[in-house]
Amino acid sequence: SQQGEEDPQALSIQEGENATMNCSYKTSINNLQWYRQNSGRGLVHLILIRSNEREKHSGRLRVTLDTSKKSSSLLITASRAADTASYFCATDALGYSTLTFGKGTMLLVSP
Amino acid sequence: SQTIHQWPATLVQPVGSPLSLECTVEGTSNPNLYWYRQAAGRGLQLLFYSVGIGQISSEVPQNLSASRPQDRQFILSSKKLLLSDSGFYLCAWSARPGSTHYEQYFGPGTRLTVT
Repeated sequence: SQQGEEDPQALSIQEGENATMNCSYKTSINNLQWYRQNSGRGLVHLILIRSNEREKHSGRLRVTLDTSKKSSSLLITASRAADTASYFCATDALGYSTLTFGKGTMLLVSP
Repeated sequence: SQTIHQWPATLVQPVGSPLSLECTVEGTSNPNLYWYRQAAGRGLQLLFYSVGIGQISSEVPQNLSASRPQDRQFILSSKKLLLSDSGFYLCAWSARPGSTHYEQYFGPGTRLTVT
């Protein structure tokens, strides 16, 4: 079964608004990562948060990690039309060298 | 800087025909290499990964195979394609475990349609 599950499946907002996506996972992890995929393209790495970190920032991105709840959230502030994409969380479970991706959240930012 | 190439970008093949997708990485040595498949509107399914030349791990039993003839080359193959093999195939690389970076870097993908 999928290690990571994103919520919501789809999100539609206006430019300037904030977008929040959530990810839940099942087993203990080393790291959790977020990726973006524009339609028909490869994935682009956004941010990595380690299991001993609780919050991380990168530009307009803010990621939180709650290992007790096995969940993470990605916040995009002041969204732009160019942020329109699918966003995936990925986890590497303890003892494994591979990533498991969720099904993603499709974000649509309207001008 | 590192770059990853995949070809072809799109491919339409009849059922029962063979398949060969190629992925090459530049600007790094000894990478881990990965093949994923993404069905329409779905997440990524890991198909194969490799930690070195000739070392292939299969995650999903199917009619696909992978090979790594050179350090930075990863090939996905099939002898006879099925309709269910249609999808978006992505190659990725990452630094070896023990480094400070575990991110995966993806190629542009190959859109395969089996007719």
